Order: sequence, then structure tokens, then C-alpha cells
Amino acid sequence: GQNIDQPTEMTATEGAIVQINCTYQTSGFNGLFWYQQHAGEAPTFLSYNVLDGLEEKGRFSSFLSRSKGYSYLLLKELQMKDSASYLCAVRNAGNNRKLIWGLGTSLAVNP
Amino acid sequence: ETGVTQTPRHLVMGMTNKKSLKCEQHLGHNAMYWYKQSAKKPLELMFVYNFKEQTENNSVPSRFSPECPNSSHLFLHLHTLQPEDSALYLCASSQEVRSNEQFFGPGTRLTVL
Repeated sequence: GQNIDQPTEMTATEGAIVQINCTYQTSGFNGLFWYQQHAGEAPTFLSYNVLDGLEEKGRFSSFLSRSKGYSYLLLKELQMKDSASYLCAVRNAGNNRKLIWGLGTSLAVNP
Repeated sequence: ETGVTQTPRHLVMGMTNKKSLKCEQHLGHNAMYWYKQSAKKPLELMFVYNFKEQTENNSVPSRFSPECPNSSHLFLHLHTLQPEDSALYLCASSQEVRSNEQFFGPGTRLTVL
């Protein structure tokens, strides 16, 4: 079957660094996505990885290891506004190219 | 207007009602999507439209009927829904179906009594 696993909840302190992990088992792979969703708002795109390695974008970085079926989202210099749900999604290969979504990780940033 | 807009933002309906959700994107995209987001469940893709043509229907019950009159507008017609259909319904768009980034609307919070 197809499965995306990520922790349900995490807590971190303002100014700190937090790593949100995502492991996946899917039929084919054509990229992994991270989205941020604040409560009551639309998900917004954060990153896309299709090759192994680290992609850095400001305070946020995303890492992918295809052989391990593993990714993480790294958030540095945490701010209160980073409190949100972080969704991991994997795109199938082939004509389908459907996104398989994880349940999301609810991150609470405390002062 | 920018991005993806959805109306209404909140909707309460009875099981015998008929209602419609509306989505509009101002991004010049060619692909549009309906998703269902329920508590403690992952985002579920319902329908995909590419250049106004439906390209995907993920075994969605017929009580949900999508309509895409043009590339900028997407509707979800609802009739005889069940309480378990209560959820957040999200619309999204992308430049094309194969694009990496999808842009989401704020969603319609639907409650079926």
C-alpha cells in the first residue's frame, strides 16, 4: 500500500531549530513536497525535492533520501508565526502523478 | 483579486439540501482540483480538471458533482449529503497538471446536519 508517516505534533522554542521528519512508501516516486497550513487557512507551498540532497530556501530547508524513503523539513530561527501544520506529500510516477498526502505535523512554537 | 478564492467560506446544510461550492483562480492556470480535508485524515484528492476537462475522479460518490465551465472557475455541486461529508473542501490550481506547485484556496468549511 501507499503510506506517508510524519509525527502528529511537535513543540519547539522561538529562535530554535526544529526538524520535521517524513517517511514514505509509495508506488513510484516523482517528487516530495512540503506545504505549510496555518489553522483555518489554505496550505501554501514550501518546497519540492526530486533528487537526493538538501534544498535550502531562507530559514527553511528540505532534505530527501530516495533510497531510504525519507525526507525532513528543517526550520531555523523559529518564529511564533511558524506555528502551523506541515504537510508532507509524495507524487506518484507515471501518468497518474497523484499526490499522496501525510496527515501533517502540528508545530507549536513557544516563546 | 489575487490567487484562489472560494465561496462560501462556511456552509451548513441539511441532508436533503442542494448547494454549490464555488472556486475561482486569478492566476491564469490550466489545472484545477477539489480536495477534501477531514480531521485526522490526510488530504483526499477528489477531482482534477485540465483545460476544463475532467481528468481524474477518485471514486467520489455521485452526490458530489463537479463542474468546470472554464479554466478559471470550478464548482462542486452537493446534494443529499451525509453527516460524514462534513469537512473542509479545498480548491487548488496549478499552471498545468504536471506542475510542481499547487496554489490552494482558503476552503469551504462544510457541516452536514
